Amino acid sequence: KAGVTQTPRYLIKTRGQQVTLSCSPISGHRSVSWYQQTPGQGLQFLFEYFSETQRNKGNFPGRFSGRQFSNSRSEMNVSTLELGDSALYLCASSLAQGPGYTFGSGTRLTVV
Amino acid sequence: QKEVEQDPGPLSVPEGAIVSLNCTYSNSAFQYFMWYRQYSRKGPELLMYTYSSGNKEDGRFTAQVDKSSKYISLFIRDSQPSDSATYLCAIRAGANSKLTFGKGITLSVRP
Repeated sequence: KAGVTQTPRYLIKTRGQQVTLSCSPISGHRSVSWYQQTPGQGLQFLFEYFSETQRNKGNFPGRFSGRQFSNSRSEMNVSTLELGDSALYLCASSLAQGPGYTFGSGTRLTVV
Repeated sequence: QKEVEQDPGPLSVPEGAIVSLNCTYSNSAFQYFMWYRQYSRKGPELLMYTYSSGNKEDGRFTAQVDKSSKYISLFIRDSQPSDSATYLCAIRAGANSKLTFGKGITLSVRP
């Protein structure tokens, strides 16, 4: 059974640019969540999508957005990148009401 | 006050030691309690999950929840070098609510 797949694994962008990250959940999982992980703040919740609808949202600025497609695949977009956006971005999927998530290996974003 | 506080690290123990990892939380509405393990360059993986107060055991791992004290723990018996990783506690209020993580503690088990 394939796990959660995130692409790309590594990304280097320039301040002011925008970026789109992709996540393919485990087959049958309808919930997809996104997290930002940094050494200083740990894992911080960005948003969760379920059946193409945003179900929960964290405390990030509007530059961070996401969407989910009918096949449950999800993308997150960050516009007007700042140096502080450098982080590991993790996607996780779960069953409709599963207690825990299965995480992908993440996308390492570096903003220079 | 943060929703979840986790003991800071890093933690280094000799092989075979018993390891105790702890978190406290602030909101009594939290019902689901999890421990994740994260190896370097990997995403977190679910290690243990409990719903109510009490203990849950899985091999060398025991998760303990004390809802009255808002305290959760993970015990690792007979620790192995392969247990060296970052351990994160995580909690959620309901099945549809977000998962909130502690900052994580890095454990190193010395051979």
